[in-house]
Amino acid sequence: EAQVTQNPRYLITVTGKKLTVTCSQNMNHEYMSWYRQDPGLGLRQIYYSMNVEVTDKGDVPEGYKVSRKEKRNFPLILESPSPNQTSLYFCASSYLQGGDEAFFGQGTRLTVV
Amino acid sequence: EDQVTQSPEALRLQEGESSSLNCSYTVSGLRGLFWYRQDPGKGPEFLFTLYSAGEEKEKERLKATLTKKESFLHITAPKPEDSATYLCAVQAGTSGSARQLTFGSGTQLTVLP
Repeated sequence: EAQVTQNPRYLITVTGKKLTVTCSQNMNHEYMSWYRQDPGLGLRQIYYSMNVEVTDKGDVPEGYKVSRKEKRNFPLILESPSPNQTSLYFCASSYLQGGDEAFFGQGTRLTVV
Repeated sequence: EDQVTQSPEALRLQEGESSSLNCSYTVSGLRGLFWYRQDPGKGPEFLFTLYSAGEEKEKERLKATLTKKESFLHITAPKPEDSATYLCAVQAGTSGSARQLTFGSGTQLTVLP
């Protein structure tokens, strides 16, 4: 089954404690991205990657890092989380050429206290 | 800057009461306009892609249309299981962010039995 898997689904952490949210896809997609979803603001792109070792900033990259060492994995790293990073996070993947459909993970609800 | 505005923010319908959701956009060279459905606590699920003005696509009770400035998602004789948030997104034709999607804030649809 084609899917994007994120872990964990829920996370409560304290300010400043480094955390990583994992994302893995099984569709051999080149393009992967991270979004955050906040009430009234919609989904906003944080970072994206067009292939292994190729990453770039989206619209709201401050406070986040990513890496793409393998094609299937695209972890999101918060090195020093702050309360304003409390949000619902989604990972998505798609082909770079051809079909445009983006597949989304189930989401990670992060609370920073 | 690409912008997407969805209206209304929320819509309540009686089962069988047809209606339309609106997505107006401004984008530098539209590559594609996308409709997604999002259920509470889940990631967005792809519905349609529209590429050029005049294009229409249908799936069960849903029909999406596209003009040069807006898209409509028509819901015919909706059922309670159609209740969800419907998201509209655009993808620009510029090469920089090849697959970046700019999302609207969504329309929360409730269909009452």
